[in-house]
Amino acid sequence: DQQVKQNSPSLSVQEGRISILNCDYTNSMFDYFLWYKKYPAEGPTFLISISSIKDKNEDGRFTVFLNKSAKHLSLHIVPSQPGDSAVYFCAASGNFGNEKLTFGTGTRLTIIP
Amino acid sequence: NAGVTQTPKFQVLKTGQSMTLQCAQDMNHNSMYWYRQDPGMGLRLIYYSASEGTTDKGEVPNGYNVSRLNKREFSLRLESAAPSQTSVYFCASSYMGQAGDTQYFGPGTRLTVL
Repeated sequence: DQQVKQNSPSLSVQEGRISILNCDYTNSMFDYFLWYKKYPAEGPTFLISISSIKDKNEDGRFTVFLNKSAKHLSLHIVPSQPGDSAVYFCAASGNFGNEKLTFGTGTRLTIIP
Repeated sequence: NAGVTQTPKFQVLKTGQSMTLQCAQDMNHNSMYWYRQDPGMGLRLIYYSASEGTTDKGEVPNGYNVSRLNKREFSLRLESAAPSQTSVYFCASSYMGQAGDTQYFGPGTRLTVL
């Protein structure tokens, strides 16, 4: 069963507009949530994270929102730039010691100039 | 700092052949991981090593073995490759492997098994 779900395989957004990527999870024991960005032929790179004690975390153009009651998080990118075109993975982990990440299936974001 | 390095970048094997994927990190991290990425499946954990001298199975360990050679190096071995192991393999490392730790990924190895 897929504990972390990204239901949109792809998303296209005009340059300068807001990109919103969504992620849902089923395991209520998840405590930390991370977003990774992946360019073709490269490994994923960490983008931003949020712990379950917060509902928002911001880093420059990137903001992650967490709604624990809905088991939903979203990544907002504003304004979107051509260099943001990549695959974005949502990941989650618990808080019991050595924690493994559970990844979603990814959303391919394309920014249209 | 090179970060996380992986060799080789590409490999083609015939069914039944064996090979070892190499991974090294120079960030003095304690935990290391091997993932595979398949279309529509995201990244799935094969094996991980919480610290030097320890290894544990992840979500999809069948057909693989690992060795944590020292703190820097973590290798993944396919003893008898199968077409189902065609995938992109990523190695990653993190400082302590605890909740919230960032994992840093290598560039990946694209493996094709014919």
